[in-house]
Amino acid sequence: AQKVTQAQTEISVVEKEDVTLDCVYETRDTTYYLFWYKQPPSGELVFLIRRNSFDEQNEISGRYSWNFQKSTSSFNFTITASQVVDSAVYFCALSEPYYGNNRLAFGKGNQVVVIP
Amino acid sequence: DGGITQSPKYLFRKEGQNVTLSCEQNLNHDAMYWYRQDPGQGLRLIYYSQIVNDFQKGDIAEGYSVSREKKESFPLTVTSAQKNPTAFYLCASMGVRSWNTEAFFGQGTRLTVV
Repeated sequence: AQKVTQAQTEISVVEKEDVTLDCVYETRDTTYYLFWYKQPPSGELVFLIRRNSFDEQNEISGRYSWNFQKSTSSFNFTITASQVVDSAVYFCALSEPYYGNNRLAFGKGNQVVVIP
Repeated sequence: DGGITQSPKYLFRKEGQNVTLSCEQNLNHDAMYWYRQDPGQGLRLIYYSQIVNDFQKGDIAEGYSVSREKKESFPLTVTSAQKNPTAFYLCASMGVRSWNTEAFFGQGTRLTVV
């Protein structure tokens, strides 16, 4: 069963526009971790943000912000004022410590293209 | 420096051969993971291990094998039973005893069958 769903495959925006990436997850664990990673063309995954299931506070870090809602099992990610360097594939991931034996599952990713 | 190292970066395999991809970490992480990435497919979990001498199958384990004899090492063998092994393989590790945990990734191995 798909644990992490990222519905949009490719998103194109004009530079300086905001872009929001949706992520829906499913888990039996009551304690779990959610992540967003960025994969630039070089291929290496870069960690962006983490949220623990017991902390629903939404935060802003520079041009990144996220909206975590347990009630809808969603963990959406927003890039504000996008730049060309933001062009990459973005992955949402779920870590399940107990029922999943620390399984770490990723969604299919969103290809973000920022047009100058 | 602490990190996770995959080798080789590029690997060519003849059909019918087994090949082993190396993954080593010096982060003292308990959990380690192998993923396969194909264009447009995202990261698909092959195998994972949360402790030495124990591992679990992921979503696409058929045609692959792993071992976890040491905490630092989690090699992946792509066997001849894997019908379409050409892909980008990523290894990751993660600490599991801290609330402030994240997965660290290697730079990947690109495997091509010739």
